[in-house]
Amino acid sequence: DSGVTQTPKHLITATGQRVTLRCSPRSGDLSVYWYQQSLDQGLQFLIQYYNGEERAKGNILERFSAQQFPDLHSELNLSSLELGDSALYFCASSMKRQGRLSGANVLTFGAGSRLTVL
Amino acid sequence: GDSVTQMEGPVTLSEEAFLTINCTYTATGYPSLFWYVQYPGEGLQLLLKATKADDKGSNKGFEATYRKETTSFHLEKGSVQVSDSAVYFCALSSWTGNQFYFGTGTSLTVIP
Repeated sequence: DSGVTQTPKHLITATGQRVTLRCSPRSGDLSVYWYQQSLDQGLQFLIQYYNGEERAKGNILERFSAQQFPDLHSELNLSSLELGDSALYFCASSMKRQGRLSGANVLTFGAGSRLTVL
Repeated sequence: GDSVTQMEGPVTLSEEAFLTINCTYTATGYPSLFWYVQYPGEGLQLLLKATKADDKGSNKGFEATYRKETTSFHLEKGSVQVSDSAVYFCALSSWTGNQFYFGTGTSLTVIP
């Protein structure tokens, strides 16, 4: 158990629907990252939050949104789902303290949420 | 910007063979470098890391040395086992520690 908890583990839904994926970071970690892993595109960075604030955006579609709550858990919302959104969605956490002096920040990944859009 | 390039796969080896997976990077400042491993059906796990030039990360028989002069962090193992079959990702974190960049992953299959 990595300490990063993702729910649900599996989700099957239909095109056009909306789903929410949830992530609880490792205890003490302030930063949450979301990644999408599909067979043909590898690991794609979506978005990062640090202590409730958005820090960086990657290849996140406008149909997708995320937030990090005061208790540091995060949710990734996927709407108007398309077949191509079928993928594994990973959450990772890091950064007990900000900045270089804290040493190498290591990403700890959850087990992922597998989304299937039919 | 920062980036990581790693060897294309898939790689198939016989048990006890020597493994090398190449990884090179582009970065400003002094990034930290990582290898992550993803076993079938699981999330990514940290395999090893190195935080400064000439550091050697090692774990479970795997090694990688942070070479600033060649901007490389190649993964090696002297004798692979069937249980090493997985996808291996090279990654770096930026000088500030905030951003992470992953390679495309290299699939390794070890056959008995």
